[in-house]
Amino acid sequence: SYVLTQPPSVSVAPGQTARITCGGNNIGSKSVHWYQQKPGQAPVLVVYDDSDRPSGIPERFSGSNSGNTATLTISRVEAGDEADYYCQVWDSSSDPLYVFGTGTKVTVL
Amino acid sequence: EVQLVQSGAEVKKPGESLKISCKGSGYSFTSYWIGWVRQMPGKGLEWMGIIYPGDSDTRYSPSFQGQVTISADKSISTAYLQWSSLKASDTAMYYCARVRIVVVVAATYYFDYWGQGTLVTVSS
Repeated sequence: SYVLTQPPSVSVAPGQTARITCGGNNIGSKSVHWYQQKPGQAPVLVVYDDSDRPSGIPERFSGSNSGNTATLTISRVEAGDEADYYCQVWDSSSDPLYVFGTGTKVTVL
Repeated sequence: EVQLVQSGAEVKKPGESLKISCKGSGYSFTSYWIGWVRQMPGKGLEWMGIIYPGDSDTRYSPSFQGQVTISADKSISTAYLQWSSLKASDTAMYYCARVRIVVVVAATYYFDYWGQGTLVTVSS
């Protein structure tokens, strides 16, 4: 099965930039999606298809994907961005079809 | 407005059966796959399976095949996740989520709307 690896934690000061990586074998050939999950809440889609944002998601959230690493970038970090973040891919040749990353806890200092 | 509303928290004993639900509204329920995702206490997200309510086509993750049953009743726009014999290790939050398909160069699938979650606690 396909494996997505994320750093367990990322710490960032308010106003700075947070970068969350998602590593997978040749992940650049797949579309990557990102979810934000705040404590006690359901996940929320923040980036889909590598770099597109759903309506209502601030432009501060952006994504990129190349080679073996996809990255979610949060610019001008705010206290409200503190959450767990998960990457996800769909792979028709994989079983399971849907794979989530291990998750990254973003702490705003 | 798209909404997925899940049934309430459950407390069960090992060996008991359980069926939890996810009711969709604000969109054509039969035209989108619905997925189920498990989150064990303090852990990450795990995909369990999906169902297409239009024809009840169902796919399972190998980790959950044979452990749960996913079904849907399109007449009431509701998907279900059920267990025939719960174990303590089934204690978790369970989310349903709508699957969105995007086709650019190739198709990709992601979860665009999520239910609020159903907490299942299995304890003797």
